[in-house]
Amino acid sequence: GAGVSQSPSNKVTEKGKDVELRCDPISGHTALYWYRQSLGQGLEFLIYFQGNSAPDKSGLPSDRFSAERTGGSVSTLTIQRTQQEDSAVYLCASSLWREQPQHFGDGTRLSIL
Amino acid sequence: SQQGEEDPQALSIQEGENATMNCSYKTSINNLQWYRQNSGRGLVHLILIRSNEREKHSGRLRVTLDTSKKSSSLLITASRAADTASYFCATDAGGGADGLTFGKGTHLIIQP
Repeated sequence: GAGVSQSPSNKVTEKGKDVELRCDPISGHTALYWYRQSLGQGLEFLIYFQGNSAPDKSGLPSDRFSAERTGGSVSTLTIQRTQQEDSAVYLCASSLWREQPQHFGDGTRLSIL
Repeated sequence: SQQGEEDPQALSIQEGENATMNCSYKTSINNLQWYRQNSGRGLVHLILIRSNEREKHSGRLRVTLDTSKKSSSLLITASRAADTASYFCATDAGGGADGLTFGKGTHLIIQP
């Protein structure tokens, strides 16, 4: 595709439900990143994939968060048993390889009621 | 944690004037990048400066990097209304498995 695509663009769900966020990176980009943007915390790095592998998952806020990437392309970020503090914009970015400029999607705005 | 700290937090200037934003960081870096974000949109990469570079230009943008002071500045010359956005600096420590570390941003308003 022309750019990084994220879906859904908006998600409203009840506390305790699971949510799945999807990211389609730019074709050919080997590196993929997830960030979270909230008023209180600014932009936080969550996880990085090189190909299908995430070398370090320590940036994920809690064990309710998980992420995977398949086929070196699409990635999903899953939040289980959502809490109100999970409300934020979740941004995905991709780059040709590590340490190159990152291209961001428009994000998924997640609201937990 | 937020390594980059932008200064000022908000800046309002008249169209045609120059806008300068500063960024400070704490640890060693491989490169420093500046991004722009329009309301409700993702971030757009503006410029990347490596740790062994001191200055870089791209169109109306000029970025400087002083690794001894752990600081960078972004200058936008001849500002336009379309430059209204939030601007973030982001540091890349290189290697490892981390993403970028962002500051909290400068909100720039260009008055027409």
